[in-house]
Amino acid sequence: EAQVTQNPRYLITVTGKKLTVTCSQNMNHEYMSWYRQDPGLGLRQIYYSMNVEVTDKGDVPEGYKVSRKEKRNFPLILESPSPNQTSLYFCASSGGTEAFFGQGTRLTVV
Amino acid sequence: GQNIDQPTEMTATEGAIVQINCTYQTSGFNGLFWYQQHAGEAPTFLSYNVLDGLEEKGRFSSFLSRSKGYSYLLLKELQMKDSASYLCAVREKSSYKLIFGSGTRLLVRP
Repeated sequence: EAQVTQNPRYLITVTGKKLTVTCSQNMNHEYMSWYRQDPGLGLRQIYYSMNVEVTDKGDVPEGYKVSRKEKRNFPLILESPSPNQTSLYFCASSGGTEAFFGQGTRLTVV
Repeated sequence: GQNIDQPTEMTATEGAIVQINCTYQTSGFNGLFWYQQHAGEAPTFLSYNVLDGLEEKGRFSSFLSRSKGYSYLLLKELQMKDSASYLCAVREKSSYKLIFGSGTRLLVRP
């Protein structure tokens, strides 16, 4: 079954404590990306990757890092989270005629 | 530049047909996606168009006109569970980046 798996689903953390949200896909897609979704602002792209070791900034990259060491994994790293990064995060993977999202990670930074 | 426009909200009656429009301007086009998203959940893939014309999939159909930069999603025999946001996304040709519209919130009334 085609899947994009994100973990964790829910996370509450404190300001400044580094965290990683994992994303994995089993469809051998080359393109993966991260979005955040906030009320009234829609989906905003944070980073994307066109292939292994190829990453690029999206529309709102400040405060985030990513890596793409393997095709299937695309983790999102928050080195020093701040309350304005409280949001709903989605990982997506696409190739050819399909594009799928992970289940989402609801992050709260206090 | 890149721009995707959708109506913000629509209301329709159970059992009826509704058409959600999407117009776009991008520097290079490599397909258009439609997603359904219920509040707090991940977007789910509905359809993909890359050539002009109509793609039908059960109660949902999607149409594309590349020369006009225009697409629509047609929902037939509306059900209460179709109340959701519908997102139009265009894939850029060079980067494979997905660019999302702000979404159309559809309310289905009895």
